[in-house]
Amino acid sequence: AQSVTQLDSQVPVFEEAPVELRCNYSSSVSVYLFWYVQYPNQGLQLLLKYLSGSTLVKGINGFEAEFNKSQTSFHLRKPSVHISDTAEYFCAVHTGGFKTIFGAGTRLFVKA
Amino acid sequence: ETGVTQSPTHLIKTRGQQVTLRCSSQSGHNTVSWYQQALGQGPQFIFQYYREEENGRGNFPPRFSGLQFPNYSSELNVNALELDDSALYLCASSDSMNTEAFFGQGTRLTVV
Repeated sequence: AQSVTQLDSQVPVFEEAPVELRCNYSSSVSVYLFWYVQYPNQGLQLLLKYLSGSTLVKGINGFEAEFNKSQTSFHLRKPSVHISDTAEYFCAVHTGGFKTIFGAGTRLFVKA
Repeated sequence: ETGVTQSPTHLIKTRGQQVTLRCSSQSGHNTVSWYQQALGQGPQFIFQYYREEENGRGNFPPRFSGLQFPNYSSELNVNALELDDSALYLCASSDSMNTEAFFGQGTRLTVV
């Protein structure tokens, strides 16, 4: 069975500082990996995805993530955050079947 | 290209009642998935419909049921509502490859 662990429930960071949101997964088969962002009272918006190929994936809003198969990780990074990046971030794994498994989420709080 | 739309956005029901939530999938998508997101948690997979047939189901009781129509829109029905059914219900549509899901804004259900 697949699972996703987001290692930090909350990450406070000052504006313009770099940030890393950590995600580990477990799966016995090849996976697709995703990061979604959720703003208050809204649905989920796709930030980026890894399907195959280059392990460094660039997404919207200046975010990027690196797929590390040996460490089964897919950490999300941004070199300089803005106040508007304050939101909930979800890592998710999909094996090509019918179900996407989400982590519990990491709340990014950007302080001025 | 129209996005995923859900209705209603909010509703309040009494324990024991029944509720129907609706979702219009993105143009060109034939697969719809439903998720339950309790407060402070990640989305949990309920079920998926592909070409009007249930294609997979998560760990939810039979009182959670669904339909998909020929235009690929979908309904989620919940019978005998319980207080713990209070959550944000998210609909996501994708193509048959499931390599990217597009989420609606969600329906916030409160059971009192």
